[in-house]
Amino acid sequence: DIQMTQSPSSLSASVGDRVTFTCRATQAIDNSLAWYQQKPGKAPKLLLYSATRLQPGVPSRFSGSGSGTHYTLTISSLQPEDFATYYCQQFYTTPLTFGGGTKVEMK
Amino acid sequence: QVQLQESGPGLVKPSETLSLTCTVSGAAISDFYWSWVRQPPNKGLEWIGYIYNSETTDYNPSLKSRATISLEASKTHFSLKLNSVTAADTAIYYCARGLIPGAEHDAFHIWGQGTMVTVSS
Repeated sequence: DIQMTQSPSSLSASVGDRVTFTCRATQAIDNSLAWYQQKPGKAPKLLLYSATRLQPGVPSRFSGSGSGTHYTLTISSLQPEDFATYYCQQFYTTPLTFGGGTKVEMK
Repeated sequence: QVQLQESGPGLVKPSETLSLTCTVSGAAISDFYWSWVRQPPNKGLEWIGYIYNSETTDYNPSLKSRATISLEASKTHFSLKLNSVTAADTAIYYCARGLIPGAEHDAFHIWGQGTMVTVSS
């Protein structure tokens, strides 16, 4: 199985901050990576696909980058509605696997 | 607009079988891969398995062959059965649809709201 490791597991930030968190795979996944945002009591929401492709309706302050085994999600200017938990997921092969999540909290 | 809705018992006894249904509205159930994903309380997400066109299924080996996903003949809903459950199977269970038609390995685009299942005697 491909293990996905996200770091940090949590971070504290303020509105307007630029935040970046990472996702590492135990083997190269050829940009087969998705990022999700999950708020308490809600289902995850797909933000980016294939590492860098923003889903329709997702604000442009979200961006993704990376290659091989190392990927990042950046929020250029954190907004109040962005405080949530973010998960990465590889779809390179089954079993499809998720990272443990990064919780973005208000400083 | 595609919508998914999970349904089933919220409480299952240990060693019994968990049975859930996902009702699909607003889209044909063909053409996409349909998955079950679960999330234990305050923990991360785990893919359980998927089904495609009634013929293709794949499961997470972590479930040790306890899971079965089926597509109803009406093709308006699909189901999950998980047998020999224990407290470790207590989780929110989501059904989800892939993003790209026909893509076996895919992200999860459309999600149900999730249903909490507790395993307890």
